[in-house]
Amino acid sequence: DAKTTQPPSMDCAEGRAANLPCNHSTISGNEYVYWYRQIHSQGPQYIIHGLKNNETNEMASLIITEDRKSSTLILPHATLRDTAVYYCTLSGSARQLTFGSGTQLTVLP
Amino acid sequence: NAGVTQTPKFQVLKTGQSMTLQCAQDMNHNSMYWYRQDPGMGLRLIYYSASEGTTDKGEVPNGYNVSRLNKREFSLRLESAAPSQTSVYFCASSGQGEVINEQFFGPGTRLTVL
Repeated sequence: DAKTTQPPSMDCAEGRAANLPCNHSTISGNEYVYWYRQIHSQGPQYIIHGLKNNETNEMASLIITEDRKSSTLILPHATLRDTAVYYCTLSGSARQLTFGSGTQLTVLP
Repeated sequence: NAGVTQTPKFQVLKTGQSMTLQCAQDMNHNSMYWYRQDPGMGLRLIYYSASEGTTDKGEVPNGYNVSRLNKREFSLRLESAAPSQTSVYFCASSGQGEVINEQFFGPGTRLTVL
């Protein structure tokens, strides 16, 4: 069973915020939420991670609900180069990442 | 720094042939990983090595073997290739830094087994 569920695809207008949701209702107390993205067929690229607090870096913001059962990745001003598959994944002490099918984000001009 | 490098970039095998996929990293990372990605799917972990001298099975280890040659290099071997192993193979590495599991990925090896 998948540990995370994401919508298969989303569109976003260039310059607008892209909000990508992820459900992880069975998350364990020691598991972090990680977001990666994969552009074309390149290797995935790390974006951001969090445990229970909201996080922000130069690429994105991560909002985690208080019960930790879901999260949202926010790209504040999406550009065409943000078109990619976005993966929400969990990782605990075992240091393994389990990737689901991800969300194909298409940024439209 | 080159980051994570993989060779070869492309490979075509016949059923039953063997080959080794090479991976090297120059970031002094302790942990290294091998994933496969089938068309339209996410990545699945084949094997990983938490540190030099150790290897562990991931989600889909059958049909593969690995060797952590030293801290820099982690190879993946297919002893008898099968069409079901047609996939894109990604190697990754991670350190023990602030971000617990920020994995850095190589460009991938595209393998076709006929």
